Amino acid sequence: AQSVTQPDIHITVSEGASLELRCNYSYGATPYLFWYVQSPGQGLQLLLKYFSGDTLVQGIKGFEAEFKRSQSSFNLRKPSVHWSDAAEYFCAVGERPGTYKYIFGTGTRLKVLA
Amino acid sequence: NAGVTQTPKFQVLKTGQSMTLQCAQDMNHEYMSWYRQDPGMGLRLIHYSVGAGITDQGEVPNGYNVSRSTTEDFPLRLLSAAPSQTSVYFCASSAGYDEQFFGPGTRLTVL
Repeated sequence: AQSVTQPDIHITVSEGASLELRCNYSYGATPYLFWYVQSPGQGLQLLLKYFSGDTLVQGIKGFEAEFKRSQSSFNLRKPSVHWSDAAEYFCAVGERPGTYKYIFGTGTRLKVLA
Repeated sequence: NAGVTQTPKFQVLKTGQSMTLQCAQDMNHEYMSWYRQDPGMGLRLIHYSVGAGITDQGEVPNGYNVSRSTTEDFPLRLLSAAPSQTSVYFCASSAGYDEQFFGPGTRLTVL
C-alpha cells in the first residue's frame, strides 16, 4: 500500500531563513504529488503539484518543490520565510492512474520566529 | 462560484445520535471525498466518489455512510455517533487526478 511520510512534526525557523520540509512516499510507480498548506482554522490550499516533466516545480507564495525519483522524495523549499508562512503543511500523493484515492502525510507544523 | 461548501461548521452530538454532514460543490467536479483530521494523524480518507451513483471506501470508513445522487452533493452520514468520531471533517472535490478543492470543515464533538 502506498504511504506518505513527513518525518518532521514541528519545524521552527527565523523569519528570513530558508526552509525545507521533507516528504517521502512509498509507491510502485511515480504518483501524482502535491503540497497543501493549512492555516489555523482553515481548509487546505494547494501550494504546488507534480505530474511529470521538469522535476523542479514552482508554486504559489514563493514555494518550490523538487521531485527526486531515486529517493522517492518531494521536498518543499522556500528561500526566505515570512511570518505569514506559519501554518501546517501536508504532502499528498494520488494514485496514477488509479482510483482517485489520495493519501496525505501527517503534516509538518511550521513556526516562524520574528 | 462558491466552490466547496460544508454545513454545519460546528456540531455537538451525544453518543448514539445520528446526523448528516452536508457537502456541495458548484464546479461540476466528478470526484468528491470526505476526510477526517485528527491531531498527529493528518487527513485520513473516509469515503470517496468518482461520480453520481458511484462511491467507495477509503482508509477509515467504519461508522460512516455516503451516497451520491447528484454531481453536486456528497453527504456523509453518521448513523450512531461515538466519541471516537470527534474530529474535524473536510469535504473535497476535484476534476479527476488533479488539485483537490477543500471545504472549510465541520468540527464535530461527540459526548
